[in-house]
Amino acid sequence: DIQMTQSPSTLSASVGDRVTITCRASQSISSWLAWYQQKPGKAPKLLIYKASSLESGVPSRFSGSGSGTEFTLTISSLQPDDFATYYCQQYNSYPFTFGPGTKVDIK
Amino acid sequence: EVQLVESGGGLVQPGRSLRLSCAASGFTFDDYAMHWVRQAPGKGLEWVSGISWNSGSIGYADSVKGRFTISRDNAKNSLYLQMNSLRAEDTALYYCAKDGEGGILTGYCDYWGQGTLVTVSS
Repeated sequence: DIQMTQSPSTLSASVGDRVTITCRASQSISSWLAWYQQKPGKAPKLLIYKASSLESGVPSRFSGSGSGTEFTLTISSLQPDDFATYYCQQYNSYPFTFGPGTKVDIK
Repeated sequence: EVQLVESGGGLVQPGRSLRLSCAASGFTFDDYAMHWVRQAPGKGLEWVSGISWNSGSIGYADSVKGRFTISRDNAKNSLYLQMNSLRAEDTALYYCAKDGEGGILTGYCDYWGQGTLVTVSS
């Protein structure tokens, strides 16, 4: 199985900050990576698929990059609505594993 | 509007069975693969299983392989998860989710239900 790691596990930031979250795969997954945002008590929301494709309706301050084993999610200017937990997921091969999550909280 | 409504969760004893259902609406159900993803209390997301539009491709997490069975009824716009030999570690909120690409089991999910809680305890 492909193992996914994320760093940091927690990130404290302020409104307006540029935020970067890293996701690493234990083997190459090409660009088959998605990013999700989850708020407490809510279902996850798709942000990015195929490593860098922005899901319809998602603000352009979110962007994804990377290929192979290393990927990043960047929020160019953190907004109050962005405080949440972020997960990456590989879908290169079964089982489609998620990373452990990165919690973005208020500094 | 895409809607996914899960049902069938509840409290069950270890070793027993439970069947989850997901009623889909707002899209052409048989054009899309579907998934089950779970989240244990206070923990992260775990992909459980996925099924292609025609049930021709099915995948499972190692943790449930041999115990859980995913299925779908396109005539009823419904997705199911039969869970046998339940364990305490299966306790989680189970989400039904729509594949983001189409009928082939691609793997990422663009719409999610609100989940149904399964608690395995004696």
